[in-house]
Amino acid sequence: NAGVMQNPRHLVRRRGQEARLRCSPMKGHSHVYWYRQLPEEGLKFMVYLQKENIIDESGMPKERFSAEFPKEGPSILRIQQVVRGDSAAYFCASSPQAGLAGPPPRDIQYFGAGTRLSVL
Amino acid sequence: DQQVKQNSPSLSVQEGRISILNCDYTNSMFDYFLWYKKYPAEGPTFLISISSIKDKNEDGRFTVFLNKSAKHLSLHIVPSQPGDSAVYFCAASAEGYALNFGKGTSLLVTP
Repeated sequence: NAGVMQNPRHLVRRRGQEARLRCSPMKGHSHVYWYRQLPEEGLKFMVYLQKENIIDESGMPKERFSAEFPKEGPSILRIQQVVRGDSAAYFCASSPQAGLAGPPPRDIQYFGAGTRLSVL
Repeated sequence: DQQVKQNSPSLSVQEGRISILNCDYTNSMFDYFLWYKKYPAEGPTFLISISSIKDKNEDGRFTVFLNKSAKHLSLHIVPSQPGDSAVYFCAASAEGYALNFGKGTSLLVTP
């Protein structure tokens, strides 16, 4: 049973280019989360998606960043016109259910190996 | 606004001894806490969790303790093994799905 797959593992972009990061959740998981880890920081929540729906994008920068999780295919995190400050590790996680309500324990989020984005 | 804090960036422990990793939080709405372990060039791997209605949860060599009044939790690893050397992240959630992570503690277990 393959885990959460992210590609590419490393992505180098020049300032002003676009970056596309892909995430395939674990088999049977329909909930996807994106987190960003800046150097020397913990992971920060960006966005939560279900198939064809963005449920919560409260952690996503208002401009240049977008995410989707189409009916078919992987989830995509897209960063337009990248700047040096976008350099970070981007992690995707998936879970079978979101655990939106009710007492814990909630569903565990399983993480991919991440995409390390470097902006030159 | 760092709601989950791991104040020790690193910890070194001898093999066979106990490792204690600490975590403090500020948001009283957090009711579920998790520890993740991360090796270089890999994603975080779930280790153990605890609900706020409990004060202890044990899984093999790993035990998590929760002190709600102090807003503090700790992870105990007994006995520590060299393969435990990794970065350990504390995470917390309120009702919902977004996990709030600390900055991590790098554990080194020496032979």
